[in-house]
Amino acid sequence: AQSVTQLGSHVSVSEGALVLLRCNYSSSVPPYLFWYVQYPNQGLQLLLKYTSAATLVKGINGFEAEFKKSETSFHLTKPSAHMSDAAEYFCAVSERNQGGKLIFGQGTELSVKP
Amino acid sequence: DTAVSQTPKYLVTQMGNDKSIKCEQNLGHDTMYWYKQDSKKFLKIMFSYNNKELIINETVPNRFSPKSPDKAHLNLHINSLELGDSAVYFCASSQDSGGARGYTFGSGTRLTVV
Repeated sequence: AQSVTQLGSHVSVSEGALVLLRCNYSSSVPPYLFWYVQYPNQGLQLLLKYTSAATLVKGINGFEAEFKKSETSFHLTKPSAHMSDAAEYFCAVSERNQGGKLIFGQGTELSVKP
Repeated sequence: DTAVSQTPKYLVTQMGNDKSIKCEQNLGHDTMYWYKQDSKKFLKIMFSYNNKELIINETVPNRFSPKSPDKAHLNLHINSLELGDSAVYFCASSQDSGGARGYTFGSGTRLTVV
């Protein structure tokens, strides 16, 4: 069965530092890949998605992610963290034509220190 | 104008009661979903409907029954509530069930069973 692993349940960075949140998936066939952000007491917002076009995907709020098939990874990065980036981040995969079912990683809480 | 709206936002109820959560989307999407987020923030799909037809039923107890009167609405009825049902329930929608487009999530319903 498809699974998603996010390394690190909690990541802390200083304001202005690089943000790197790691995600690995288990499928042998490249699935669709997503990153979502959840702010406290809110729903999930789509940051970016990979659907077999360019392997480097740019999203909202300055985030981007690179699909690496050889490493089955889809890590999320941002060059310079802002205080407003503090939130929970979820990586998710969707297998093609499986009813749109999303399988989520366990989430990574990002803290940003002043 | 909220794209995916859920009501109520908070629901506190006693064990054994029956309750419903309503969801409406105004995006014209064909597919709607219910997800459960547990106390550790893990997200898991419960159901999905495509044009009022059930397409995913993910080993959820029979006490949970989704109803889709039209493609813009997907309600969740829960019978005989148990303590373990306490969670945040998210409704979501997507343009189709192919899996490529990502979801739009509602802001969630926090259910507390006492």
